[in-house]
Amino acid sequence: DAGVTQSPTHLIKTRGQQVTLRCSPKSGHDTVSWYQQALGQGPQFIFQYYEEEERQRGNFPDRFSGHQFPNYSSELNVNALLLGDSALYLCASSLARGTNTGELFFGEGSRLTVL
Amino acid sequence: AQSVTQLGSHVSVSEGALVLLRCNYSSSVPPYLFWYVQYPNQGLQLLLKYTSAATLVKGINGFEAEFKKSETSFHLTKPSAHMSDAAEYFCAVSRNYGGATNKLIFGTGTLLAVQP
Repeated sequence: DAGVTQSPTHLIKTRGQQVTLRCSPKSGHDTVSWYQQALGQGPQFIFQYYEEEERQRGNFPDRFSGHQFPNYSSELNVNALLLGDSALYLCASSLARGTNTGELFFGEGSRLTVL
Repeated sequence: AQSVTQLGSHVSVSEGALVLLRCNYSSSVPPYLFWYVQYPNQGLQLLLKYTSAATLVKGINGFEAEFKKSETSFHLTKPSAHMSDAAEYFCAVSRNYGGATNKLIFGTGTLLAVQP
């Protein structure tokens, strides 16, 4: 049973560039959430996608956008990169229906460095 | 609004000693509470969760946590530390929507070091 997979694992960009990160959820899951984890900090909620729509959003600017595809996979896009966007970006999947208790399953993350 | 406070950003214990990592939460509604562990350069792995059933929750790798509503606490313990327990531990809270998925609010983490 494949868990949550993310790509790429590492990438380096320069200020002003754009980046796309990808995530495939755990088999059977239909909801994808994205988190940003800055060095030495806890993960911060960016947004959540379910049924190909953004359902919830954290306190992040519009430069951060996303998409969910019919197969439940998801992309996170960040435009006009700033140095402060350097972080580990974590994707988490879950099941919206059924008897789930809010547990999230995390991927290993994409580490973005902005120079 | 919900929030989590983890007391102690760094905790060091000797191998075989008791592990106690502290977490206090704030929530205006019945919470779900979680402990996750993160090993270097990896994602987060769920250790255990409280979902309004038993207040003493047992998780993987010998860890357990007790939900104390009166103290708004959910401290993580392990009777005997092992070298492999060295990692960063995150406490998280979410709202109890009776099964609906909701966002997790994480604490700032506690880095556990285990000395030989």
